[in-house]
Amino acid sequence: LAKTTQPISMDSYEGQEVNITCSHNNIATNDYITWYQQFPSQGPRFIIQGYKTKVTNEVASLFIPADRKSSTLSLPRVSLSDTAVYYCLVVLRGGSARQLTFGSGTQLTVLP
Amino acid sequence: EPEVTQTPSHQVTQMGQEVILRCVPISNHLYFYWYRQILGQKVEFLVSFYNNEISEKSEIFDDQFSVERPDGSNFTLKIRSTKLEDSAMYFCASSWTASTNEKLFFGSGTQLSVL
Repeated sequence: LAKTTQPISMDSYEGQEVNITCSHNNIATNDYITWYQQFPSQGPRFIIQGYKTKVTNEVASLFIPADRKSSTLSLPRVSLSDTAVYYCLVVLRGGSARQLTFGSGTQLTVLP
Repeated sequence: EPEVTQTPSHQVTQMGQEVILRCVPISNHLYFYWYRQILGQKVEFLVSFYNNEISEKSEIFDDQFSVERPDGSNFTLKIRSTKLEDSAMYFCASSWTASTNEKLFFGSGTQLSVL
């Protein structure tokens, strides 16, 4: 399983765009990049998943360069309610839930 | 968006007692999971369940733990004889398929405190 590295914490201000980069140098051909969000005292919530290039949904964008050794989660115009821990996971297509490994994540704090 | 529901939200028990944590997964999902998160630590996989059987379990999921789907809607985690180190937030999750690139839906968790 590819190991991921992401910043432990980030601060931002309301209205700013936030980019959280995750490094996954050992990503394999059949791995997908998935991001989850976790608020205090709640379960993780799926945000976005991608394989290559760019994926966008109503919550975020995910940028994946051609070599796929890193990815960037982009949150446009954050608000105070976006304060949460963001987890970058590399998941094997067709793999099992046991392999869904949550690391320490990035604590994003949005300031007023 | 559909939700996974967990009850109770908080459970306090004495060491050595049995506890049952309850979950109602999303209705058309087929795969069910339990994860736990000790305060300040990572979310850890415990067990996955499909077709009334355990599919996979982690080293944490020892003989003190069991899971059951007693009817068509509930999914339970039982800890037979709780230990202090079982104190954690327990999350139930469900998904349509077993693939890790399938979106998992998590509940809000049950905070278990063992005294």
